[in-house]
Amino acid sequence: SQTIHQWPATLVQPVGSPLSLECTVEGTSNPNLYWYRQAAGRGLQLLFYSVGIGQISSEVPQNLSASRPQDRQFILSSKKLLLSDSGFYLCAWKVAGSSYEQYFGPGTRLTVT
Amino acid sequence: SQQGEEDPQALSIQEGENATMNCSYKTSINNLQWYRQNSGRGLVHLILIRSNEREKHSGRLRVTLDTSKKSSSLLITASRAADTASYFCATDAGSGTYKYIFGTGTRLKVLA
Repeated sequence: SQTIHQWPATLVQPVGSPLSLECTVEGTSNPNLYWYRQAAGRGLQLLFYSVGIGQISSEVPQNLSASRPQDRQFILSSKKLLLSDSGFYLCAWKVAGSSYEQYFGPGTRLTVT
Repeated sequence: SQQGEEDPQALSIQEGENATMNCSYKTSINNLQWYRQNSGRGLVHLILIRSNEREKHSGRLRVTLDTSKKSSSLLITASRAADTASYFCATDAGSGTYKYIFGTGTRLKVLA
């Protein structure tokens, strides 16, 4: 069966520090991968998605970047965090192609201080 | 940009009652999905309805889709305290796309 891992679960970082959040998927090949951010009590904002290794689409210009160094690994990074980067970050995957549901990881709660 | 919007934003009902939440979207779609999120957790997929379907059932869930009105509704029958969560609709961006746009969500509270 397929499993999605996301870590860390919580993170407190000072303004200006770097960020690296990692997401890995098991039990499937060539998944579509997604990073979302959710502000408290709000909906999900799509940040990045990837349909293959090295293929990243950015939805929102911002202080973040994403990379997909391996088929089932998706990394969200920042060189210098801003206060506005605080939020709940969710990684998700789905079977390649359209009309499939997404499967979400447990999320990372990031607080920038 | 396309965005799903749910209403109501919050809903409080008694256990055993039915809960209905609605979603509206702006552009043509291939499918619409509903997800549930318990507080502080990831989202869990509930049901997917394709653009050529009008109604779909899964257990206590009933989803309708009206593409002419660009709207969908999620009905949870005989609600339980465990149904307390936020519910989101998500729409794809049409043929050939890989991304989904999520609505703002409905926070459902079921009182025991």
